[in-house]
Amino acid sequence: DAMVIQNPRYQVTQFGKPVTLSCSQTLNHNVMYWYQQKSSQAPKLLFHYYDKDFNNEADTPDNFQSRRPNTSFCFLDIRSPGLGDAAMYLCATSRDSGGAGFGYNEQFFGPGTRLTVL
Amino acid sequence: QQQVKQSPQSLIVQKGGISIINCAYENTAFDYFPWYQQFPGKGPALLIAIRPDVSEKKEGRFTISFNKSAKQFSLHIMDSQPGDSATYFCAARGHNLFFGTGTRLTVIP
Repeated sequence: DAMVIQNPRYQVTQFGKPVTLSCSQTLNHNVMYWYQQKSSQAPKLLFHYYDKDFNNEADTPDNFQSRRPNTSFCFLDIRSPGLGDAAMYLCATSRDSGGAGFGYNEQFFGPGTRLTVL
Repeated sequence: QQQVKQSPQSLIVQKGGISIINCAYENTAFDYFPWYQQFPGKGPALLIAIRPDVSEKKEGRFTISFNKSAKQFSLHIMDSQPGDSATYFCAARGHNLFFGTGTRLTVIP
């Protein structure tokens, strides 16, 4: 089945210790997104890749970085995790053709990685 | 600033009843309004979506009602079932997808 896969499902790290979360997709979608979702809150977009073009949200802290080495994979790097970064991190994908129609296509979400910072 | 306001925060409905979740927005540039369903431990999944040129969209037991002049839209779940118990997020599309804060629905047998 075509899907969005996130690894690991649960990640525990120490305060200040870099961590990398991964996302892979078999949908061959050209857009990949990273969201942060804290308990009982809405998902918050951190950044997205439109093909190889990186689009960072204005309020995403510099502590968060991303890499997309190819169409199928996308990584979220947290350089120095703080206690406030503990959250569920969701990866999503969509197929978009751009122009006025961008963003109207369904976003497919992975199951998320729950990050705990000790 | 919350772009999309959602209520109620939680909802308990008896099996067979109607679940209603409401959302409101301010930005008239929003032009696509999806609803997502999220089960515990899973990512959100698209349930149903509507464009503002339509006042109502129905898919099975799920209906979106859209009031463009009031800048409000709602999700109605008819004949609610225990399997519908999940968190529901409304969203609105501008330059990004803005989510509401979610409604935890519990359908009791």
